[in-house]
Amino acid sequence: DAGITQSPRHKVTETGTPVTLRCHQTENHRYMYWYRQDPGHGLRLIHYSYGVKDTDKGEVSDGYSVSRSKTEDFLLTLESATSSQTSVYFCAISVSETTEAFFGQGTRLTVV
Amino acid sequence: ELKVEQNPLFLSMQEGKNYTIYCNYSTTSDRLYWYRQDPGKSLESLFVLLSNGAVKQEGRLMASLDTKARLSTLHITAAVHDLSATYFCAVDMLGSNTGKLIFGQGTTLQVKP
Repeated sequence: DAGITQSPRHKVTETGTPVTLRCHQTENHRYMYWYRQDPGHGLRLIHYSYGVKDTDKGEVSDGYSVSRSKTEDFLLTLESATSSQTSVYFCAISVSETTEAFFGQGTRLTVV
Repeated sequence: ELKVEQNPLFLSMQEGKNYTIYCNYSTTSDRLYWYRQDPGKSLESLFVLLSNGAVKQEGRLMASLDTKARLSTLHITAAVHDLSATYFCAVDMLGSNTGKLIFGQGTTLQVKP
């Protein structure tokens, strides 16, 4: 799994509550990404980071924020969870912008 | 806007048969990736195709890239049950050096004995 740990692996939360998902890597890769996977949509990029404190938005960033204060950790926060954010969230890392990305095991989030 | 479309979305085939999965994308990009996902699992990198005409093979799978046609194919030769999985192609967003990927919807392959 390319030294990527996502936590938690499963979470059920209530609408309106804040949620933070963590991605931790041991590979010292510069690039980190958060994707969500929903049936019929493949994976869609939420946010990505190209270095400590350097982040940018992806396709579906509304309702999400991220932070990267250390190379190894990339946090995804849902400020106020909604049912539409029920999904499987994958973190990915890559050495550079032109190399393949390696994915974590995923976090299944259910918002009730 | 970059769009990536896979065809077919679901494929049921007999062991020993050959088939091809197609991946079309809408704007310029010179990098295309194929991933495999088993149910409930993470994504596993299969192939990285970096230039026009690139062809890569691993076991019973062969991937190719035609950047002029904006088309990649994943060919399955003499399918076996272990190849049952969902296969995704992905393209660099906007064809730029960002590493941000646009994924196809995925093709679920079911290989029957």
